[in-house]
Amino acid sequence: QKEVERDPGPLSVPEGAIVSLNCTYSNSAFQYFMWYRQYSRKGPELLMYTYSSGNKEDGRFTAQVDKSSKYISLFIRDSQPSDSATYLCAVNSGNTPLVFGKGTRLSVIA
Amino acid sequence: GAGVSQSPRYKVAKRGQDVALRCDPISGHVSLFWYQQALGQGPEFLTYFQNEAQLDKSGLPSDRFFAERPEGSVSTLKIQRTQQEDSAVYLCASSLDYYGYTFGSGTRLTVV
Repeated sequence: QKEVERDPGPLSVPEGAIVSLNCTYSNSAFQYFMWYRQYSRKGPELLMYTYSSGNKEDGRFTAQVDKSSKYISLFIRDSQPSDSATYLCAVNSGNTPLVFGKGTRLSVIA
Repeated sequence: GAGVSQSPRYKVAKRGQDVALRCDPISGHVSLFWYQQALGQGPEFLTYFQNEAQLDKSGLPSDRFFAERPEGSVSTLKIQRTQQEDSAVYLCASSLDYYGYTFGSGTRLTVV
């Protein structure tokens, strides 16, 4: 079992839709939970991070962590074509390198 | 510089050839990471430096892979006797903390 699994993709949604991206992880020692966005032929860029359980909101983006079920989510409201990218969840325990999920490719159609 | 710089952006190597990939991290970032990203996959950890010390090389797939950061700044990932399965994008990241990695655009290696 991989340490981080993501819900299958790719996803294609119309502009303005609410998008839900999800990952599960296996190691309860993980404390930091991140979402990275990766555009084609670019490196991943940090979108949001959460420490431990809870929600964090930043504009149209909301990150959610449920440590009891080892489930992490990213919600995108009012999705835009510019949101079209691959979204990667990543976790670590604080002093270890990030472990990434496989990534979900999102297409927002105008 | 403002970001992490990697060179070359693209590299085509013949099977058996040695390659060297360079990473210039953000000035002042003590932590530097190398990841390998196969097509359609997430980045997979290769190795990690804190300043010039290589603290973790558990992700290096074989002894053909070697990384160094001799002065605690620029890092080089070397792959000896390249094989087709080495074809991937090699990403370098630097960081000040546990989560805020800044990635370069990567080097796309194709072994033919």
